[in-house]
Amino acid sequence: GGIITQTPKFLIGQEGQKLTLKCQQNFNHDTMYWYRQDSGKGLRLIYYSITENDLQKGDLSEGYDASREKKSSFSLTVTSAQKNEMAVFLCASSGTGGGQDTQYFGPGTRLLVL
Amino acid sequence: GDSVTQKQGQVTLSEDDFLFINCTYSTTTYPTLFWYVQYPGQGPQLLLKVTTANNKGISRGFEATYDKGTTSFHLQKASVQESDSAVYFCALVDRYGSSGNKLIFGIGTLLSVKP
Repeated sequence: GGIITQTPKFLIGQEGQKLTLKCQQNFNHDTMYWYRQDSGKGLRLIYYSITENDLQKGDLSEGYDASREKKSSFSLTVTSAQKNEMAVFLCASSGTGGGQDTQYFGPGTRLLVL
Repeated sequence: GDSVTQKQGQVTLSEDDFLFINCTYSTTTYPTLFWYVQYPGQGPQLLLKVTTANNKGISRGFEATYDKGTTSFHLQKASVQESDSAVYFCALVDRYGSSGNKLIFGIGTLLSVKP
């Protein structure tokens, strides 16, 4: 088995601030994802990466940057936090072969912007 | 493009009640469909995966099937317990994504089970 670790667990920022969220996985998976979860809207894909140094935009990439410098880690940056923004950011990873479709999720980072 | 619709935002049941949650999907390829469950304070985790129409996926007392004719797939459990209280998401693999395994999620159904 493996695990996905997300840091920090809670993140409180100020309007206009640049904020970075980190994700580590030890599944040795090739593909990693960042999702945003808002109440009543499900999970929306921000960025994904199919290998080290690869980045692909999802449906919600505006206002975010991402970085995949190592196979095991994937970072997400909120480039300018919006006032009163509140959401959960979820990191996930998936492998190749028979388990390619199954995504494994971390516990999330909860963001609050004051 | 591919899409998933999950209309039931919240379901409240009593212990031992029957659970049925439905989603509809739209895709031009053969779908692979998932149910994920998210417990409070945790990330979603895979509950069931169904790759063939009318074949059941079974896990932890839950069953899932999909119907190509009505483009719907559902999750059911004969007798829910308080510990089943969670958010349930349906999801579809987007085969046109460059990675081949991008998931499209429904909005989620919050299940509350009263003791």
